[in-house]
Amino acid sequence: AQTVTQSQPEMSVQEAETVTLSCTYDTSESNYYLFWYKQPPSRQMILVIRQEAYKQQNATENRFSVNFQKAAKSFSLKISDSQLGDTAMYFCAFMRGHTGNQFYFGTGTSLTVIP
Amino acid sequence: DGGITQSPKYLFRKEGQNVTLSCEQNLNHDAMYWYRQDPGQGLRLIYYSQIVNDFQKGDIAEGYSVSREKKESFPLTVTSAQKNPTAFYLCASSMTNSPLHFGNGTRLTVT
Repeated sequence: AQTVTQSQPEMSVQEAETVTLSCTYDTSESNYYLFWYKQPPSRQMILVIRQEAYKQQNATENRFSVNFQKAAKSFSLKISDSQLGDTAMYFCAFMRGHTGNQFYFGTGTSLTVIP
Repeated sequence: DGGITQSPKYLFRKEGQNVTLSCEQNLNHDAMYWYRQDPGQGLRLIYYSQIVNDFQKGDIAEGYSVSREKKESFPLTVTSAQKNPTAFYLCASSMTNSPLHFGNGTRLTVT
């Protein structure tokens, strides 16, 4: 079975600073996908970034980037120039490839951006 | 615009009553899912369906039932057998090897 671990239940960062959220996962699969989702107070789940395991290059989306360490099974999210609107729960998720439709979520990290 | 619609946003029921949560998508996605979210526990999978007329139990299916008669619709029934039904419920859909798209959720309160 796949497991996803987010070891930081809560974090805070000053506005305009950089913060890194940690995620590790356990799998014997070689083909898989990793995601970070954001859940603001509205509780809408929003896809932040995705990473295909077969790609060595780390994904980036504007101020969001990941550090994907496949051998270490680590998938951290870096948020640069933090904004108040980044305040949210952040969930790391794993999806197996091929079968393609089973997702596993971590327990989330609550991020607060301090003005 | 395409998306996933969950209704209602808030739902209140008396203990012992069954209740059905609606989920409709117009994204033409094959797979649909129901998740339950409780504080500090992330998202837990209740049921998922990869094609019409077929669905699979997730990690916490006891006390829940689903149907998938149409590609667009995946309603979830919370039965009286569910011991602790008060929670936030999220419906999602996806294509194969693609991210989940989520609805806005339904907050169910059972008293």
